[in-house]
Amino acid sequence: DQQVKQNSPSLSVQEGRISILNCDYTNSMFDYFLWYKKYPAEGPTFLISISSIKDKNEDGRFTVFLNKSAKHLSLHIVPSQPGDSAVYFCAASARNQGGKLIFGQGTELSVKP
Amino acid sequence: DTAVSQTPKYLVTQMGNDKSIKCEQNLGHDTMYWYKQDSKKFLKIMFSYNNKELIINETVPNRFSPKSPDKAHLNLHINSLELGDSAVYFCASSQQRGYNSPLHFGNGTRLTVT
Repeated sequence: DQQVKQNSPSLSVQEGRISILNCDYTNSMFDYFLWYKKYPAEGPTFLISISSIKDKNEDGRFTVFLNKSAKHLSLHIVPSQPGDSAVYFCAASARNQGGKLIFGQGTELSVKP
Repeated sequence: DTAVSQTPKYLVTQMGNDKSIKCEQNLGHDTMYWYKQDSKKFLKIMFSYNNKELIINETVPNRFSPKSPDKAHLNLHINSLELGDSAVYFCASSQQRGYNSPLHFGNGTRLTVT
């Protein structure tokens, strides 16, 4: 029962264009969502997060959108750069679960020059 | 100046052996975690410690035993290794125990059991 799903295992985008990575969740108790970026042979690094009281959070080229009614969030990267090529993990947590993060299986983004 | 460091990076061993993975963080964080990334790439929490106290213990075989000698260290000991234990194990830390405190991950230990 995977509570966080990233249904696209991979995404290829041209440099300078927008990258949109999607994530769906099933547990309505989730109230905090995070995106992590992972390069090969490294650990995931925190990218951006959003609380369930918001529907958008922006940090430079990265914007996360949350649609609670659809239980869906997305990460927009614009403009995409070759250095953005990595695996992106969506994660969710609930206030009553003491910090336990539930991760999706990741989407591998390839940004081509 | 590595924030979360874990050793070894690679570990190849035979079934039935006992092995340990060490983790240290120099961020001054109170909470540390072990996550397992399986062959399907999902990252799943195994354990969490807050100030040396076990606070999260997921459904993990009792062959896995975490040990936290102090809040900067969280080691993982695995007894009687099985083929299915092959995975990448990530240590992580967070400033607080709270659900909205981002995790800082180590670079992982790739365990291969033959």
